[in-house]
Amino acid sequence: GNSVTQMEGPVTLSEEAFLTINCTYTATGYPSLFWYVQYPGEGLQLLLKATKADDKGSNKGFEATYRKETTSFHLEKGSVQVSDSAVYFCALSLLTGGFKTIFGAGTRLFVKA
Amino acid sequence: EPEVTQTPSHQVTQMGQEVILRCVPISNHLYFYWYRQILGQKVEFLVSFYNNEISEKSEIFDDQFSVERPDGSNFTLKIRSTKLEDSAMYFCASSEEVASGNTIYFGEGSWLTVV
Repeated sequence: GNSVTQMEGPVTLSEEAFLTINCTYTATGYPSLFWYVQYPGEGLQLLLKATKADDKGSNKGFEATYRKETTSFHLEKGSVQVSDSAVYFCALSLLTGGFKTIFGAGTRLFVKA
Repeated sequence: EPEVTQTPSHQVTQMGQEVILRCVPISNHLYFYWYRQILGQKVEFLVSFYNNEISEKSEIFDDQFSVERPDGSNFTLKIRSTKLEDSAMYFCASSEEVASGNTIYFGEGSWLTVV
């Protein structure tokens, strides 16, 4: 079936540290891949996306590359800030008769000053 | 930037009561969705809706749930007889079209607590 697996949290980093959140997927067909972010008390916001193999999505210093050979879409940021503390969801979208987004379990990130 | 809006932001209801959650999708979008997130768990797909009918639904979306687009702007989720396990954040979403690479935009969620 179609699924997304991401690293368990929480991830705790000091400000300016390098961030990697791993994400791998299983899909029939050719999905689009997304990272969504959920700040405390808020809804889901699209962070970045990639629609085909080797595409790199980037936004607000975050980036992720669609790797078809390893079925991965790892999220990275070179220098995190306290304001990046949130839950990050990796997701894929597929046309499956209908169209839906399948989410990973989410990874909570805490950034300490 | 256009956004999906949802009301109420938080509702507390007694078990067995009916609840209606409301959503205003982005105005030029044609495809609408409901997702839910039980506290601390994964975001789960409930249903997708297009051209005034359900196009896909998950096993969670049983006979207790229904969706409707009563007018040109609102999209509602009704839970007929709420159960304790329906307590969750419910997200409405919309997309312009159904195509590879198309982005689904989410609202801020309606937090439902069933007591």
